[in-house]
Amino acid sequence: EVQLVESGGGLVQPGRSLRLSCAASGFIFDDYAMNWVRQVPGKGLEWVSGISWNSRSLGYADSVKGRFTISRDNARNSLYLQMNSLRPEDTAFYYCAKARAGAGLGNAFDIWGQGTMVIVSS
Amino acid sequence: DIQMTQSPFTLSASVGDRVTITCRASQSISIWLAWYQQKPGKAPKPLIYQASSLESGVPSRFSGSGSGTEFTLTISSLQPDDFATYYCQQYNTYFPTFGQGTKVEIK
Repeated sequence: EVQLVESGGGLVQPGRSLRLSCAASGFIFDDYAMNWVRQVPGKGLEWVSGISWNSRSLGYADSVKGRFTISRDNARNSLYLQMNSLRPEDTAFYYCAKARAGAGLGNAFDIWGQGTMVIVSS
Repeated sequence: DIQMTQSPFTLSASVGDRVTITCRASQSISIWLAWYQQKPGKAPKPLIYQASSLESGVPSRFSGSGSGTEFTLTISSLQPDDFATYYCQQYNTYFPTFGQGTKVEIK
């Protein structure tokens, strides 16, 4: 079964850091680009970051650039999001999403995880 | 960034109705558009990619059309399971953007 499972969310104080993980299974992980998408409860979807199959191409939304770092470990079939200098406006569900076709950025997303909630609050 | 604008914001319809949702891009995105369905507490479910290609397992009552800057998602005969929020997403660039969503409610 093709599956993405996120972990690492939780309650964190403003200015602190958190690292999200996404474990992939059921497909050849290093054939595809991967992404993080977030959603404030009750609001719309926002693409956060993407990474190509070989980690050579990285993309970030302006809202997180310089604070978040995406990475992957193809040997472990895992995707990560290091979130530093967290702000209350980063509070959201964070979804891991697989690129539908191809190993590069700029893709539709055909597999989504169940999401992990990040709450930034003092 | 490419801005995606959906209309309407909310749509009230009955079972059996034909429903159309529009998505407009702030610049041409060719056919690089996807549609997703999301229900409360769940992850988005992919419906359509490349503007008009149906994802595997998606009922044929869903269809997509358009190119350039204007796109539509049509549900030919609304079913009870279709009441949800629908999002369009452009992927013409390395920086994907979503529309704000259209909530389809029971009339």
